[in-house]
Amino acid sequence: EVQLVESGGGLVQPGRSLRLSCAASGFTFDDYAMHWVRQAPGKGLEWVSGISWNSGSIGYADSVKGRFTISRDNAKNSLYLQMNSLRAEDTALYYCANSVAVAGPFDYWGQGTLVTVSS
Amino acid sequence: QSALTQPRSVSGSPGQSVTISCTGTSSDVGGYNYVSWYQQHPGKAPKLMIYDVSKRPSGVPDRFSGSKSGNTASLTISGLQAEDEADYYCCSYAGSYTRVFGGGTKLTVL
Repeated sequence: EVQLVESGGGLVQPGRSLRLSCAASGFTFDDYAMHWVRQAPGKGLEWVSGISWNSGSIGYADSVKGRFTISRDNAKNSLYLQMNSLRAEDTALYYCANSVAVAGPFDYWGQGTLVTVSS
Repeated sequence: QSALTQPRSVSGSPGQSVTISCTGTSSDVGGYNYVSWYQQHPGKAPKLMIYDVSKRPSGVPDRFSGSKSGNTASLTISGLQAEDEADYYCCSYAGSYTRVFGGGTKLTVL
C-alpha cells in the first residue's frame, strides 16, 4: 500500500524558516517524481514545487521561487521542503504527492501537514 | 503561472450529467495533453479521477470522462450520484517542470 506521510508543520513567525518532510513507502521511491501541493484554509489547491526522480529537474511556483527549496533523499525514501522567509500567505495544509512521469498526474497524496505563519 | 479558470459551482440531480470546464492558455492546457482532474471531499486528500486529458485510473467509474478542445479541458460526470458531491480541480503541465491548478468547482447533487 502506497503511503505518504508528511511532517514538520507547525506555527511559525513571519520571516522564519521551517522544513517539511514526507516519508514514502509502498512503492519504488526513486522511480517517481515528487511534488508539494498546498491548500490554504477554505481555498483551492496550489502546486508549490516538484522534483524529478534523480533531482535533475526541479520546478517552483512563482509564489515561492527563491524562498523554498525542494530536495529528496532516495536512500531514505524521503522528500523535503525547506521554507525560508515565510509569509502569512504561506499558511496552508501542505501535501506531498508522487507522479510516475515528468508531466504526469499526481497519483497518490499524503494527508498533509499544516503550516501556520503568524506572529 | 496564472490559475486555470473553472466555474465556482455546478449542480445537477441524481442521474443527470454535468460538465465542468477548465480554461487555460496555449502555455498550459492548450500546449500539452497533460490535463488531470482531482476530486476532493471535505477534510480529505484529493483523489485522481482523470489524467492525460481523458484517461481513467483503475477503480474510477466510467461515469467520469474528460476531453479537451483548444485551451479548454472538460470533465463530464454522467449518471450523477450523491457521492459525487465534492470539489473538483483541474491541473495542467505548464512547461519547465511546473504545474498549474484551476480554482476548483463545487459540485452539488440536488
